Amino acid sequence: GQQVMQIPQYQHVQEGEDFTTYCNSSTTLSNIQWYKQRPGGHPVFLIQLVKSGEVKKQKRLTFQFGEAKKNSSLHITATQTTDVGTYFCAGRGTGTASKLTFGTGTRLQVTL
Amino acid sequence: DAGITQSPRYKITETGRQVTLMCHQTWSHSYMFWYRQDLGHGLRLIYYSAAADITDKGEVPDGYVVSRSKTENFPLTLESATRSQTSVYFCASSDRTGYTEAFFGQGTRLTVV
Repeated sequence: GQQVMQIPQYQHVQEGEDFTTYCNSSTTLSNIQWYKQRPGGHPVFLIQLVKSGEVKKQKRLTFQFGEAKKNSSLHITATQTTDVGTYFCAGRGTGTASKLTFGTGTRLQVTL
Repeated sequence: DAGITQSPRYKITETGRQVTLMCHQTWSHSYMFWYRQDLGHGLRLIYYSAAADITDKGEVPDGYVVSRSKTENFPLTLESATRSQTSVYFCASSDRTGYTEAFFGQGTRLTVV
C-alpha cells in the first residue's frame, strides 16, 4: 500500500532559525495536503498542492510539490514560538478509490 | 453548534470491555473518517465512510467496528478493548476524500487498563 514518510521526526530550533520538513511517498500522488497539530490539539488544514512543481506561500511558510509528485516540503522562515507543533503531510494516490494517507509527522520545538 | 464533535474526550476502560466513541458533524459532509494517533506512527486510518450505510476499512481496522446509519454520525466501537488500543482517536470529515480539506474533531484519549 501507499506509504508516506516524513523527515525529520523531530527538530528543535532557536527562535529565528529556519525549519524544513520533507515528505516522501512510495507512489505518485494526485495531490498533497499539509496539516499542523498544536500540542494537545487536533490537526488543522494548512494547504493543498496539486500541480507538479507547485510552490505556494503563506506568510513565512513555503510549500513545494515535487516535479514527480512523489515528494513535498514545508519550509518555515524565521521560526516563532507560535510555530511549535507537529506538521503532517497527507497524500492522495492517483487511483479513483485512493484515500488520503498521512505521513508520520515532524514535531517542531522552538525555544527563545 | 456547527462543526465536528467527539465524545467522550477522555475514557478509561478495562481490557475486554466494549466501548463506543461518538462522532457528530453538522456540515453534511459525505466522508467521515476515524484515525488513531500513536507516537511514531502519525495518523493511521481505521475506517472511513463515503456516505450513510457505506463504510470501508482503512489501514488498521482489526478490533474495530463502525456504522453510519445517518450522514452526521459515525460511531466507532471497540468490541473487546485491548491495551494495544490505548491511543488518541480522531474523527474527521470532508466533502470529497483527499480532494478537499479534512476537518478534525478534538479527539478522544482512550486508555485501556
